[in-house]
Amino acid sequence: KQEVTQIPAALSVPEGENLVLNCSFTDSAIYNLQWFRQDPGKGLTSLLLIQSSQREQTSGRLNASLDKSSGRSTLYIAASQPGDSATYLCAVMDSSYKLIFGSGTRLLVRP
Amino acid sequence: NAGVTQTPKFQVLKTGQSMTLQCAQDMNHEYMSWYRQDPGMGLRLIHYSVGAGITDQGEVPNGYNVSRSTTEDFPLRLLSAAPSQTSVYFCASSYGDRRSDEQYFGPGTRLTVT
Repeated sequence: KQEVTQIPAALSVPEGENLVLNCSFTDSAIYNLQWFRQDPGKGLTSLLLIQSSQREQTSGRLNASLDKSSGRSTLYIAASQPGDSATYLCAVMDSSYKLIFGSGTRLLVRP
Repeated sequence: NAGVTQTPKFQVLKTGQSMTLQCAQDMNHEYMSWYRQDPGMGLRLIHYSVGAGITDQGEVPNGYNVSRSTTEDFPLRLLSAAPSQTSVYFCASSYGDRRSDEQYFGPGTRLTVT
């Protein structure tokens, strides 16, 4: 059974710092891995999607990497801003076309 | 496009009552799914559909029914509400390409069962 774990559960950093969020999964048979952002009381917004054949994707200050063989992904946020404060969720699309989520990392960027 | 819409935004039910959570999308997406999110946890898949007339179970299907009679709509039915079903429910949709699918989420329905 596919399990997705995110570490740390919460993170507080000063503005301007570069940071890394981690995601691990137990079964490497995936179609893709996605990173989402969730603001309090809101739905999810897709940030980056990495197909299983890809190693990384970039969007602005965000860079996501995927190492399928070791079951790991990282989301790198450069020059963090208070507006980046949110919960970040990773999810893998498994071999039966189900999207399996981690429990998220709650990020606070202090001004 | 309105994207993925969900109604109602909030709902309070008594134990044993039934209700339907509505989900609609106007992007001609084949894949639609329902999730529940509980405090401190990620989203858990309830049911999903890869196209009209086709549905399948996710991780936590017990107590919920779905049907997909049209491409646009994917309602979630609670047959006999229980306090354990108190949660925030999200509907999502995508085109249906397993490799490159980006999921679009609705704003959620906050359900309380007393």
